[in-house]
Amino acid sequence: GEDVEQSLFLSVREGDSSVINCTYTDSSSTYLYWYKQEPGAGLQLLTYIFSNMDMKQDQRLTVLLNKKDKHLSLRIADTQTGDSAIYFCAESISNAGNMLTFGGGTRLMVKP
Amino acid sequence: DGGITQSPKYLFRKEGQNVTLSCEQNLNHDAMYWYRQDPGQGLRLIYYSQIVNDFQKGDIAEGYSVSREKKESFPLTVTSAQKNPTAFYLCASSPILKTYEQYFGPGTRLTVT
Repeated sequence: GEDVEQSLFLSVREGDSSVINCTYTDSSSTYLYWYKQEPGAGLQLLTYIFSNMDMKQDQRLTVLLNKKDKHLSLRIADTQTGDSAIYFCAESISNAGNMLTFGGGTRLMVKP
Repeated sequence: DGGITQSPKYLFRKEGQNVTLSCEQNLNHDAMYWYRQDPGQGLRLIYYSQIVNDFQKGDIAEGYSVSREKKESFPLTVTSAQKNPTAFYLCASSPILKTYEQYFGPGTRLTVT
């Protein structure tokens, strides 16, 4: 079955790195995603990684995928107050029509 | 300016009334989706449509209905049969060959009292 789990909350100081973790259970995931949601807004696609990759870097964002442990992480370098938001991990599975299954979200709070 | 619009941003209804939430996109995307978000939870799929005049139930379709008469529009009706309709509703769209690349609207917060 599909299940995506994330810790609820993370607090960091401005300028530090943030690492948001996610675990998933379906080994047939095709893509794994990170979305950002600011208060009262929709979700913004930050980045995604194909399941045959183990790392993807995009400016301040680094995604690491450990397929063996079914663990995905998002590292934000030099975290800024504008990074404060809820971050959702999601997976899509090709034999489920590529529909997305979302984790519950991690609220990142960045303190000045 | 391409994007997805949802209106209104906030909606209030009395229990027992049907209410329709609007979703429009000008991204020329074939696929559209409706999700429900409850506090502290992830998104759950209500309905999706991959082509005009066709749509499929998601994980929590009971108490909801949709239509897809135009490519640009995918309205969601929350019926009186939905037991717990108060939630944040998000619409998304994607190209048909890239259903993994979904773009979201700003959401509608529905409160039913």
